[in-house]
Amino acid sequence: EVQLVESGGGLVQPGGSLRLSCAASGFTFSSYEMNWVRQAPGKGLEWVSYISSSGTTIYYADSVKGRFTISRDNAKNSLYLQMNSLRAEDTAVYYCARDAASTTGYFDYWGQGTLVTVSS
Amino acid sequence: QLVLTQSPSASASLGASVKLTCTLSSGHSSYAIAWHQQQPEKGPRYLMKLNSDGSHIKGDGIPDRFSGSTSGAERYLTISSLQSEDEADYYCQTWGTGIRMFGGGTKLTVL
Repeated sequence: EVQLVESGGGLVQPGGSLRLSCAASGFTFSSYEMNWVRQAPGKGLEWVSYISSSGTTIYYADSVKGRFTISRDNAKNSLYLQMNSLRAEDTAVYYCARDAASTTGYFDYWGQGTLVTVSS
Repeated sequence: QLVLTQSPSASASLGASVKLTCTLSSGHSSYAIAWHQQQPEKGPRYLMKLNSDGSHIKGDGIPDRFSGSTSGAERYLTISSLQSEDEADYYCQTWGTGIRMFGGGTKLTVL
């Protein structure tokens, strides 16, 4: 069974940093591209970042470019999101999501999410 | 510019059918999309990938009540025999090189 479990969320002050993790199991993690998606309270889904299976290709949404860094450790079956210079508008539930296949960009599995609150 | 447009809300009665629409922006009518369901207080769940020719690939365990279809730039999700647990937000999603994106979502109310 495919499982994605996020962790690392919490309360952080504006300008602070936080590192999210996503533990993957039930599939060959190193073969799949991965993403972070967020959802602000009461709002829709917003794609945040993508990383290729090898970690060599990375993309970011303009809203987080230069502040967030996606990475992965295939030996540990884990995906990460380092978030720096956090702003109130980064408050959201953050989900990790798996790309279904290397030739497509839709998400076939999601985690349950971890809440990040940026507030003083 | 690639944009997905969804109506903010829809409603239908228990046991009836409903058809939700996702519209691709001009020049992007050949794009495939995916439909995702988000029940209240839960994470999203993948329903299906829907190609421009109407063919689709469903996620694991998705009932036959959920089906997809296409017409031009429109991508549809039809839910038949509506059940109370179908009350949820439904998002369409597409992708390009270097980007993934979502429609604004449709909140479905089951009456």
